[in-house]
Amino acid sequence: SAVISQKPSRDICQRGTSLTIQCQVDSQVTMMFWYRQQPGQSLTLIATANQGSEATYESGFVIDKFPISRPNLTFSTLTVSNMSPEDSSIYLCSYYRDSYTGNEQFFGPGTRLTVL
Amino acid sequence: RKEVEQDPGPFNVPEGATVAFNCTYSNSASQSFFWYRQDCRKEPKLLMSVYSSGNEDGRFTAQLNRASQYISLLIRDSKLSDSATYLCVVIHTGGFKTIFGAGTRLFVKA
Repeated sequence: SAVISQKPSRDICQRGTSLTIQCQVDSQVTMMFWYRQQPGQSLTLIATANQGSEATYESGFVIDKFPISRPNLTFSTLTVSNMSPEDSSIYLCSYYRDSYTGNEQFFGPGTRLTVL
Repeated sequence: RKEVEQDPGPFNVPEGATVAFNCTYSNSASQSFFWYRQDCRKEPKLLMSVYSSGNEDGRFTAQLNRASQYISLLIRDSKLSDSATYLCVVIHTGGFKTIFGAGTRLFVKA
């Protein structure tokens, strides 16, 4: 599987500011995804990052709040805009790999965000 | 009703015990099924895929019942290192949409 990394690994931010999280995969992947995992909860898909077009957002998530870039097949960014304490969460990027066993999904190590 | 539902947990078991986790899914169009493991403050990692024929990997056995829309994971001879949250994962291949269960927390104690 390709190696997937994120940065920053953690940050503490002030209310009203924005943070951009970077996700890098060491080989080309077609589909990348951004998830949020709030404390004690499971993962919730924010959006699918499409190379060369706008991201596809899930219900409850909008581009103005979570703008996403996908400039090439190995890189994506997620920005958390105008942050509030409710945005405190772990943000994970992910990609699919097709294999003989089906669609396997791999995750980056996550970015732990705390908004004060 | 959630699309993927799991045993609420937590499960507290002694070392060497056998423990079973259950998961049900509501969308009959679901195509692929997995169990993921997530350690505290870590990202989820694939534990094993789940097939109708059942599959086994060492102490772990996963089973899928499409008719009942039910997935199970059996862990035999539990180890302390098995302590983690186990996530039931369902993928709708057509839309590449992954649905995660809320997870079941397992604590294995000496």
